[in-house]
Amino acid sequence: AQSVAQPEDQVNVAEGNPLTVKCTYSVSGNPYLFWYVQYPNRGLQFLLKYITGDNLVKGSYGFEAEFNKSQTSFHLKKPSALVSDSALYFCAVRDRDSSYKLIFGSGTRLLVRP
Amino acid sequence: DAGITQSPRHKVTETGTPVTLRCHQTENHRYMYWYRQDPGHGLRLIHYSYGVKDTDKGEVSDGYSVSRSKTEDFLLTLESATSSQTSVYFCAISVLEAGVDEQYFGPGTRLTVT
Repeated sequence: AQSVAQPEDQVNVAEGNPLTVKCTYSVSGNPYLFWYVQYPNRGLQFLLKYITGDNLVKGSYGFEAEFNKSQTSFHLKKPSALVSDSALYFCAVRDRDSSYKLIFGSGTRLLVRP
Repeated sequence: DAGITQSPRHKVTETGTPVTLRCHQTENHRYMYWYRQDPGHGLRLIHYSYGVKDTDKGEVSDGYSVSRSKTEDFLLTLESATSSQTSVYFCAISVLEAGVDEQYFGPGTRLTVT
């Protein structure tokens, strides 16, 4: 069965410092991997995705994510956090051979302190 | 919100009453989805549709039904609402980008069952 784990309910970081939001996954085949962000009282917004190729994927708002096949991880990173990055972040996975169904992690709340 | 609207945005209803939530899209996307979002669970798929009158169950479909009589509308019905269905409901569509579908979400409907 496919699953996604986000081991941290909350990540706290000071503005200007690098941030990492962790995600590990389990799928039977090769995955497509996604990160979404949710601001208060809004729907989810697409940040970035991994399809194939370069393990470092760049996305919106200066975010990037690193795919590590051996560790089955897809951690979200940003070199310098902004207060406006404070939000709820979701990792999601889809098996390439499945239908169009995404499996989401439970979410990680990022709090960036001024 | 990717041309997706949801109505109503907020609803309070009593246990045992029927409730219908509407998702409307303006760009003729084939795939549409209904998710519910609950703390600690992330987003869980309720039902999805891959065309007019073509629907399938997700991981938490019990107590829910859907209909899609037109490409642009995807309805979610709670036949007899229960308190466990208090949640935030999101509709999504799939858009094919660089050979892989990305899901885009509506603004959500907050449903409270008393």
